[in-house]
Amino acid sequence: DQQVKQNSPSLSVQEGRISILNCDYTNSMFDYFLWYKKYPAEGPTFLISISSIKDKNEDGRFTVFLNKSAKHLSLHIVPSQPGDSAVYFCAASPKGLADKLIFGTGTRLQVFP
Amino acid sequence: GAGVSQSPRYKVAKRGQDVALRCDPISGHVSLFWYQQALGQGPEFLTYFQNEAQLDKSGLPSDRFFAERPEGSVSTLKIQRTQQEDSAVYLCASSLEVRLSYNEQFFGPGTRLTVL
Repeated sequence: DQQVKQNSPSLSVQEGRISILNCDYTNSMFDYFLWYKKYPAEGPTFLISISSIKDKNEDGRFTVFLNKSAKHLSLHIVPSQPGDSAVYFCAASPKGLADKLIFGTGTRLQVFP
Repeated sequence: GAGVSQSPRYKVAKRGQDVALRCDPISGHVSLFWYQQALGQGPEFLTYFQNEAQLDKSGLPSDRFFAERPEGSVSTLKIQRTQQEDSAVYLCASSLEVRLSYNEQFFGPGTRLTVL
């Protein structure tokens, strides 16, 4: 069973516009959520995170929103830049088990000029 | 300093062959993780070390998979009698983590294993 779901395998956005990547989860025991970015032939790199006690976290062009009642989080990138083109993974960490990340299947973002 | 490094970057094995994948974590990082990423999927947790202690190996898919970190730094993931379904990218990550609080995991570039 897929505990973390990214239902959009790909997204194409024009440079300067907003990119919105979505993620749904099923396990209410998750208490920390993260977004990782991955370029080809490289490992994932941490982008931004949010604790379950918050509903928003912002870092520059990146904002993550958490809706616990809907078990949904989203990553907003604004303005989008060509260098943002990559695969984005949503991940969650179970409460009290900070050792394990549960990843979604990823969304490939392409930002075109 | 340097990030997490993994070797080899690519490995081709014949079915039934044993393989060993190496991970060098960031110096001083207490925790080390192994993940398996199949094509088109997200990384899936395999196992976790805190120093030399393997605290969680619940994600290892079978007893053909074995991981060790004998001195609390470098780790090796060994796969015995490889099967075609073992073909994947194997990612290693490390963190400064103290249990029950979250610390960022830093990932290596991965080892792409292809079993023929």
